[in-house]
Amino acid sequence: DTGVSQDPRHKITKRGQNVTFRCDPISEHNRLYWYRQTLGQGPEFLTYFQNEAQLEKSRLLSDRFSAERPKGSFSTLEIQRTEQGDSAMYLCASSFYPASGKETQYFGPGTRLLVL
Amino acid sequence: DAKTTQPPSMDCAEGRAANLPCNHSTISGNEYVYWYRQIHSQGPQYIIHGLKNNETNEMASLIITEDRKSSTLILPHATLRDTAVYYCIVFDSWGKLQFGAGTQVVVTP
Repeated sequence: DTGVSQDPRHKITKRGQNVTFRCDPISEHNRLYWYRQTLGQGPEFLTYFQNEAQLEKSRLLSDRFSAERPKGSFSTLEIQRTEQGDSAMYLCASSFYPASGKETQYFGPGTRLLVL
Repeated sequence: DAKTTQPPSMDCAEGRAANLPCNHSTISGNEYVYWYRQIHSQGPQYIIHGLKNNETNEMASLIITEDRKSSTLILPHATLRDTAVYYCIVFDSWGKLQFGAGTQVVVTP
């Protein structure tokens, strides 16, 4: 399978614990996006990278959230001191952004987080 | 805020064509219309996109009106596996996607 993969698929944690999610993009895709989706809503943008540079962060990304893409390949999203409001599906997408400037994002299966 | 308006839900009979409308009256000249769908508990799946001309691929057809203020996604022969939430997104071809609430499509036998 050469699609976007995410790990873990499900995570249950207690309030106050830290969690980390991983996303492996489609090979050779230079852009990687993180979105969050709560029940009954469409996905909301969190942040994105072009290669290893983090180019934009949403105001939804509080200081408890941090994302990295150290070598421009896989990415991690860490949530520190989790709160019940962090319970959501965390989605990763990747794309190839060419010089022509048009891209299509392909999504992974998501990581479903439940904070107790 | 999302720049599109879609009906919240629609039903379709299996084997029939499903026509999903989307209104994007404030679309600007460099913005594309993208369609994604999300089957329950899965990540969104890219379907198709277009700028001005009608587009067709193995999954669907996209019809964009001449004034580009609305479009229709057509699933030619709906199957039960097409039951999903369908999102119409206006996108300037790079950067973040802004999803609305989408249309919940239920295909019935």
